[in-house]
Amino acid sequence: EADIYQTPRYLVIGTGKKITLECSQTMGHDKMYWYQQDPGMELHLIHYSYGVNSTEKGDLSSESTVSRIRTEHFPLTLESARPSHTSQYLCASSELGARGEAFFGQGTRLTVV
Amino acid sequence: GQQLNQSPQSMFIQEGEDVSMNCTSSSIFNTWLWYKQDPGEGPVLLIALYKAGELTSNGRLTAQFGITRKDSFLNISASIPSDVGIYFCAGSSGSARQLTFGSGTQLTVLP
Repeated sequence: EADIYQTPRYLVIGTGKKITLECSQTMGHDKMYWYQQDPGMELHLIHYSYGVNSTEKGDLSSESTVSRIRTEHFPLTLESARPSHTSQYLCASSELGARGEAFFGQGTRLTVV
Repeated sequence: GQQLNQSPQSMFIQEGEDVSMNCTSSSIFNTWLWYKQDPGEGPVLLIALYKAGELTSNGRLTAQFGITRKDSFLNISASIPSDVGIYFCAGSSGSARQLTFGSGTQLTVLP
């Protein structure tokens, strides 16, 4: 069973607010990812990291930013939330040498009103 | 970028029936993965495939890595109500090994 945790599970917030979605893993994985997923739809990679102080943008353009100061922690921040940011955000991690296998957290369902 | 075509988009089956779904790509992948996602949860890895032609089972689930490396299928035998969910295929290739996901197959099992 994967040990990767996301908080909060659900968040309803007003337009213009700054928010940070937390993601932590206890598996010592070097690679971490953030995916955005609309209900029942495919997952789109928005950010990833190969390790501490490494961050890269994914295939889907996003106004969010990420940081990787500690191996186990990969928070995602939105400086000014908008209704278009309403979605599910999934965090995942994998070993550096893994052939693609990623383990996912339970996700954060974000609603911006 | 790379795209995966997953079909069918949705399936309604009777409990006890077998299920088959597949993914195809215009690009070659080095790894094929199958995930299941329950409502409100993150995807859970079911099966990982690493070699063309490889056939791997996990309980009632069987998946194959296509010979051309451009496709994969997942079979579920003797379906049960807890099989309900969305099944995603995913592929990775190249040194970056980022995953590309299919659009998912929504499975409903009727009693």
